[in-house]
Amino acid sequence: GQNIDQPTEMTATEGAIVQINCTYQTSGFNGLFWYQQHAGEAPTFLSYNVLDGLEEKGRFSSFLSRSKGYSYLLLKELQMKDSASYLCAVRDQDYKLSFGAGTTVTVRA
Amino acid sequence: NAGVMQNPRHLVRRRGQEARLRCSPMKGHSHVYWYRQLPEEGLKFMVYLQKENIIDESGMPKERFSAEFPKEGPSILRIQQVVRGDSAAYFCASSLQREGLLETQYFGPGTRLLVL
Repeated sequence: GQNIDQPTEMTATEGAIVQINCTYQTSGFNGLFWYQQHAGEAPTFLSYNVLDGLEEKGRFSSFLSRSKGYSYLLLKELQMKDSASYLCAVRDQDYKLSFGAGTTVTVRA
Repeated sequence: NAGVMQNPRHLVRRRGQEARLRCSPMKGHSHVYWYRQLPEEGLKFMVYLQKENIIDESGMPKERFSAEFPKEGPSILRIQQVVRGDSAAYFCASSLQREGLLETQYFGPGTRLLVL
């Protein structure tokens, strides 16, 4: 079975940094994805890690440790528009994505 | 390049009616996936299709649910005799396949089904 855990909610101040952790136990692994989802909208792709280490993309970075079954998404210089749900998803050996329940990030002024 | 298109965006049905959800993948994508999202829960995989083929329907309920992706036209997720528990957001995603590997899945805006 697939088990993907991430915190339910996080709150941070505009301009700050927030780190969203994700731990997983899955029967196969072929990459970890982070998506952003605003209320009532489609999940939009943020990042992809398949090898250990840090992937940086502008204000967003994602880290993966396969041996620990652990990833995090780092959001820097938070903006109000970053208030959204952030979804951690693991792809099995083929194509199937298993999602965590999502972390709702609220950015306060 | 238009993204993944889904329609309708909102659908209201009474118990016992049929719901038909449509998905047009991104241009050039021939792999389609359907996911269901219940309130306060993560997206759950339902079915994976290629043109004219169902590759994996392991996440789809055995009864009342069916999916197709014809040679021409959009992918259709069909729910017969809907019940209140079918109320959810249904998301479609599509991807490319390059050198035998499936690439990132891109999601459509979803169809929110409400069963009264």
